[in-house]
Amino acid sequence: SQTIHQWPATLVQPVGSPLSLECTVEGTSNPNLYWYRQAAGRGLQLLFYSVGIGQISSEVPQNLSASRPQDRQFILSSKKLLLSDSGFYLCAWGFSSADTQYFGPGTRLTVL
Amino acid sequence: GQNIDQPTEMTATEGAIVQINCTYQTSGFNGLFWYQQHAGEAPTFLSYNVLDGLEEKGRFSSFLSRSKGYSYLLLKELQMKDSASYLCAGRTGGGNKLTFGTGTQLKVEL
Repeated sequence: SQTIHQWPATLVQPVGSPLSLECTVEGTSNPNLYWYRQAAGRGLQLLFYSVGIGQISSEVPQNLSASRPQDRQFILSSKKLLLSDSGFYLCAWGFSSADTQYFGPGTRLTVL
Repeated sequence: GQNIDQPTEMTATEGAIVQINCTYQTSGFNGLFWYQQHAGEAPTFLSYNVLDGLEEKGRFSSFLSRSKGYSYLLLKELQMKDSASYLCAGRTGGGNKLTFGTGTQLKVEL
């Protein structure tokens, strides 16, 4: 069976500091991978998605970036965090473009 | 993208039935998903509809009418553990992107 991991689970960072969140998937090959953000009281916002190694599509212009250095690894980064970057960051995977997306446990980020 | 609309909050009684509605723009529609999200946790997949009609999975059922841009999630024999946010999400075109509604917070009371 497939499992998805995210770390860290919680993170408190000062404004202007860098960020690196990691997501890995086990039990499948060549998954589609997604990064979402959920701000307090708001819906899920798609940030990035990837259909293969090195292939990243950005949905929202902002100070975040994503990379996929390996088939089952997806990384979300920032060089300088803003207060507005606080939120619940969720990684998700799916088999193909027509399939369900399954979410990892998430990282709760607080920027102070 | 899609505009997904669903009620913000609903309250129901343990053992009862509740229906959570979701409406969306029909242009380019290609599938509708329902997820459950407990407070502080990640969403978990409940159901997927791409054709008109009812999909049943135990106590949970989901209905889709593509011509009306309408879906609902039906929860039967409500239990306290069903208290959660229920997210409606639509996919458009041939891509793999979902647009989520803001969720319906369901509270189950005794």
